[in-house]
Amino acid sequence: GIQVEQSPPDLILQEGANSTLRCNFSDSVNNLQWFHQNPWGQLINLFYIPSGTKQNGRLSATTVATERYSLLYISSSQTTDSGVYFCAGRGGSSNTGKLIFGQGTTLQVKP
Amino acid sequence: DSGVTQTPKHLITATGQRVTLRCSPRSGDLSVYWYQQSLDQGLQFLIHYYNGEERAKGNILERFSAQQFPDLHSELNLSSLELGDSALYFCASSPVGGPYIQYFGAGTRLSVL
Repeated sequence: GIQVEQSPPDLILQEGANSTLRCNFSDSVNNLQWFHQNPWGQLINLFYIPSGTKQNGRLSATTVATERYSLLYISSSQTTDSGVYFCAGRGGSSNTGKLIFGQGTTLQVKP
Repeated sequence: DSGVTQTPKHLITATGQRVTLRCSPRSGDLSVYWYQQSLDQGLQFLIHYYNGEERAKGNILERFSAQQFPDLHSELNLSSLELGDSALYFCASSPVGGPYIQYFGAGTRLSVL
């Protein structure tokens, strides 16, 4: 099955810094999504981005489907950005909707 | 708020017991997915139902079963619980006709003691 690799596994930032999180896929994927899991465990949808670039406030994401990777940019980070960031996708040849998740990037933003 | 409702939020039980987790999808969504998040396995797909029918199974143990009812809510039944079943269980739903964005509930945190 498809493998999803996220990097870096851990990231510590000072408030106000920028960061880039990466997600690599072993094969083509559809329905790529980025999530933020907050300290209470909730999975918050950030982006649905099968290809191209999207922006939402201080966050933006880019997926280059032909090269099997996606990037999540966080600018001017805040302490509330702390948590775990997951990317997930559905296998390109899969006829089910199941999402395959990466292992996540744990972000800590220090004041 | 994703619009997906999961109950209960927390569940503490003993080994060997049986529990039922409940999920109500977003209004209009016919698909319900169950995922398990454990420390050692990460987030893993368990099962997918569409309009009452099972569509796909993932890494779901035989001790676990699920169903989706005519009103589209779904239940995940976990039996003969073991310590290793302690995890966060998520339900997600997605809209009919795409885009196939999955919206996740807040999860049920299961602790098996």
